[in-house]
Amino acid sequence: GDSVTQMEGPVTLSEEAFLTINCTYTATGYPSLFWYVQYPGEGLQLLLKATKADDKGSNKGFEATYRKETTSFHLEKGSVQVSDSAVYFCALSRTGSARQLTFGSGTQLTVLP
Amino acid sequence: ETGVTQSPTHLIKTRGQQVTLRCSSQSGHNTVSWYQQALGQGPQFIFQYYREEENGRGNFPPRFSGLQFPNYSSELNVNALELDDSALYLCASSLGLAGDHYEQYFGPGTRLTVT
Repeated sequence: GDSVTQMEGPVTLSEEAFLTINCTYTATGYPSLFWYVQYPGEGLQLLLKATKADDKGSNKGFEATYRKETTSFHLEKGSVQVSDSAVYFCALSRTGSARQLTFGSGTQLTVLP
Repeated sequence: ETGVTQSPTHLIKTRGQQVTLRCSSQSGHNTVSWYQQALGQGPQFIFQYYREEENGRGNFPPRFSGLQFPNYSSELNVNALELDDSALYLCASSLGLAGDHYEQYFGPGTRLTVT
């Protein structure tokens, strides 16, 4: 079945550091890929997405490129801020009747001032 | 525009009891999905409702059931609660099923504790 594997956390960085959170997936066909963010006490918010190979999703300084050859969708940001502290989830959605999301286990990011 | 809302925020139940969680979808959205998020884990898909019909189900037993109403709001019912049902239950709504612009909008969740 479908699965998503994220790098284990927690990740602690200083403000303005470079961020990479690794994500790889297993799925048949051509899934859409997503990064969601969850702030403390809140639900999930879509951060960015990519729907086909070589697409780059970007939002709020975060970027991720859909790499079919390596089945990866790594999240990057050049300079993190304290306000980026949250849990980040990689997810995929396969074409089909339900279009359900399959999530990774999440990576806790803490950014220190 | 009102976002996805869920009630109650928190709930404590005893093993063996039954519980009903509620979700109001975002205005104009006709599809609702439910997810279970155990502590420290990613959300897991329970089932989805599209125009009042179940349209896909994850690996959850039949004691997890749901409804969608004509106004597209939804309920998640869990019978015979077990300790492992303790989790954050997330509702997500979307505008239909088709197309690459499919996006789910999540509510803040209901925290269920089973003792």
